[in-house]
Amino acid sequence: EVQLVESGGSVVKPEGSLTLSCAASGFTFSKAWMNWVRQTPGKGLEWVGRIKRKNEGGATDYAAPVRGRFTISRDDSKNTLYLQMNSLKVEDTAVYYCTTDCSASGCYGDGVFGPWGQGTLVIVSS
Amino acid sequence: EIVMTQSPDTLSVSPGERATVSCRASQSVGSNLVWYQQKPGQSPRLLMYGASTRATDVPARFSGSGSGTDFTLTISSLQSEDFAVYYCQQYSRWPPWTFGQGTRVEIK
Repeated sequence: EVQLVESGGSVVKPEGSLTLSCAASGFTFSKAWMNWVRQTPGKGLEWVGRIKRKNEGGATDYAAPVRGRFTISRDDSKNTLYLQMNSLKVEDTAVYYCTTDCSASGCYGDGVFGPWGQGTLVIVSS
Repeated sequence: EIVMTQSPDTLSVSPGERATVSCRASQSVGSNLVWYQQKPGQSPRLLMYGASTRATDVPARFSGSGSGTDFTLTISSLQSEDFAVYYCQQYSRWPPWTFGQGTRVEIK
């Protein structure tokens, strides 16, 4: 069974920093493109960014609102995905999910999010 | 950026009845359309991809149709466990992948 478990959510002040983690199991993590998606009551679901496989250079891509402030990385030896968030803004307040297009039986294709974690809440407030 | 618009925002349906949720893209996304189901306190669950292919373990009462800019998710006979929020998402033009605002299916 695929499991994605996020952690690290907290209350942080504007302009602060925070790192989220996502521990993965039940599929070949090193072969998966991994994504972060966030959810707010006001804006709904919003794709944040993704990271490709190491053998593809671990290339990253980000949504415009977070580009230059957020950094996605991965540690395949630990089956863990990270989201480093800097210069946080009030509008970054959300539940952050990690997700992938891969399941235990295979991958659906880029942009189709199969397994999701339970999410971790980030609140940016003074 | 492709804008996804769902209708209606809320759908009130009696158990056993059919429910139809619509999703419109601001430009063609081909068949690169996903549907998710989200229940209160849970993360989204993949229901449908490729506009009409059910994901693993999704009951046959769920069906998807459409291509280009107009898509439909149909639940043929609503069960109690189907009352939830449904989201569409395009994976045709990136960045970014974009989601609809969600449709709440509630008990009438």
